[in-house]
Amino acid sequence: AQKVTQAQTEISVVEKEDVTLDCVYETRDTTYYLFWYKQPPSGELVFLIRRNSFDEQNEISGRYSWNFQKSTSSFNFTITASQVVDSAVYFCALKVYQLIWGAGTKLIIKP
Amino acid sequence: DTGVSQNPRHKITKRGQNVTFRCDPISEHNRLYWYRQTLGQGPEFLTYFQNEAQLEKSRLLSDRFSAERPKGSFSTLEIQRTEQGDSAMYLCASSTSGSPNEQFFGPGTRLTVL
Repeated sequence: AQKVTQAQTEISVVEKEDVTLDCVYETRDTTYYLFWYKQPPSGELVFLIRRNSFDEQNEISGRYSWNFQKSTSSFNFTITASQVVDSAVYFCALKVYQLIWGAGTKLIIKP
Repeated sequence: DTGVSQNPRHKITKRGQNVTFRCDPISEHNRLYWYRQTLGQGPEFLTYFQNEAQLEKSRLLSDRFSAERPKGSFSTLEIQRTEQGDSAMYLCASSTSGSPNEQFFGPGTRLTVL
């Protein structure tokens, strides 16, 4: 069975602080994909990144970076120099056959 | 590219009534997915289509739920004899078959069953 755990229900930081959102996944399959999506207050899920299980390279996109470690089954997401517009719920998801979603982490960035 | 659209955006109904939601995917996407999301939870997979064929349906999906995609374009999700537990956000997403579930989501339909 597959499972995604986002242990942090809510994180609150002050603008310009760095923040890391944790994601731990479980699967026995060797081929899978990992995703992060952002859900702002408007409600629409926005795709951020996809990673396949054979690519453990970390990725950086502007202020966003992702750390994929198969040894710990983790796919953590870091926002550097956070901004108020980053406030949203962030979901980590695992795909073997269909997307299995974590419960999400609500990120609050205070001005 | 107009993105995925869903109608209505909000629906309030009384318990026992039937409701139908519509999803229009991105035009070149042949895959279409339905999810349900309750407050504080991630989306829960309901079903998906490739073109007009319904290829998978969640075992958790009640027989009161049915989805169609008759011409391989838009899709409808119908809930019969609604119950208060059906209150949720219903999300639609689409993707190409060549992209491993890089799904693009619509704004959702929020259902409230009184």
